This record gives sequence, C-alpha cells and structure tokens, in this order.
Amino acid sequence: EVQLVESGGGLVEPGGSLRLSCAASGFTFSRYWMHWVRQAPGKGLVWVSRINDHGSSTSYADSVKGRFTISRDNVKNTVYMQMNSLRAEDRAVYFCVREESSGYLGSEYFDLWGRGTLVTVSS
Amino acid sequence: QSVLTQPPSVSGAPGQRVTISCTGSSSNIGTINDVHWYQQFPGTAPKLLIYANNNRPSGVPDRFSGSKSGTSASLAITGLQAEDEADYYCQSYDSSLSGWVFGGGTKLTVL
Repeated sequence: EVQLVESGGGLVEPGGSLRLSCAASGFTFSRYWMHWVRQAPGKGLVWVSRINDHGSSTSYADSVKGRFTISRDNVKNTVYMQMNSLRAEDRAVYFCVREESSGYLGSEYFDLWGRGTLVTVSS
Repeated sequence: QSVLTQPPSVSGAPGQRVTISCTGSSSNIGTINDVHWYQQFPGTAPKLLIYANNNRPSGVPDRFSGSKSGTSASLAITGLQAEDEADYYCQSYDSSLSGWVFGGGTKLTVL
C-alpha cells in the first residue's frame, strides 16, 4: 500500500527539541521530493519545509528557518524533521507530504499525505 | 494572514452549484505557477482534489472542476452532495517567497 506514516510528535516544553519521522512505503521513495506541512488546531495549512530527492537541497518557511532541519534516508525510506528551539506557535499537526509536479518550478503539488503527528509546545 | 485569500465559508443546497474563490498576486497565481485544490474532512489529512489548475486525479468525481484567470482561481462543485461538506484549500508556489503557499481554507456547508 502506498502510504506515509509520521511519528515522533508529543509534548515538549518551550525551547525544547523534537524529531519527527515519516516512513514511506509502496513507492520508490528516492525518486520523490518530500515536504512537511503543518496545521495548527482549527487553523489552515502552512508549508514548512522541502527536501529534494537526493537530500542535497532543502528549503524552509521563514517561520522555522534556523530552527528546523529536514533530512532524509533513502535506504530507510524515511524523511525527518529535527525541530529545535520550539515555541508555543509551533503547536500543530505535522503532515509528511509527497510532491508531484508537471516538471517546472511552480507546478508542484502534494499528491500523498500522511495522517499527521501532533506536536504540542507547553510548559 | 494567508498569502492566498479564500472566503471563510460557502454554502449551498443539495444539487446546487457552488464556487470557491482563491485570490493571489503577481508572485504566485498571477504567474505561470499552477493552482491546486485539496479537500479535508475533520480529523483527517487533506486529499488532492484538483491539480495543475483544472485536472482531476483518478477517482475524483467530475462534479469538481477548477479554473484560473489572472491572479485568481476558482473551484466549482456541481450537483452538491451532503458528502461534499468539508474544508477546501487552494495552493500555489510563490516566487517572491520561494516557497509553497496555501489559502486560509473555506468551509463548505451543505444545507
């Protein structure tokens, strides 16, 4: 079955760290660029970060730049998000997402989503 | 505030047609960047509904259609059904931000 399964969420104090994992199965993981998208409770979707197929190129939303690091292991078919210096406003469900595109920058869309993992930042 | 602007809510009776707008700018929708749409039910992950402005993934009913013009895009749903009641999000790429952006989401209520 083609799927993404996130794990690693939980409760952490402000300033703390957390590492999210996303295990992919049912498709050739190493061919796809991957993203993290988050959704605060009762709010909309917000793009967080992206990593290319080889793991050599990454990008981040300004709100997490310098605090979050995306990485991947194409042997383990897993993408990670290391989250440091967590703030209350980072509280959200974090979705792991697979990217598809029509082959040019600006055509990217998200065709496969995990169920998400909840991160809560509170003292 | 989201980079792409959607109405917070729309509603319609069963069988009717509704549209959801998504307004952007010259750095996202107003360029060659495509617009995509997602459907999300409470407590579940979003699902791709429309990609590349007006294309439906396999399994999405042809009651759903998308369009793009200038700095705006629209999602149309015809023959509204109770099961269509959900949140809908538009998404594009913003060339100025060098990142992917979503609309704030629209809650569709079937009366």
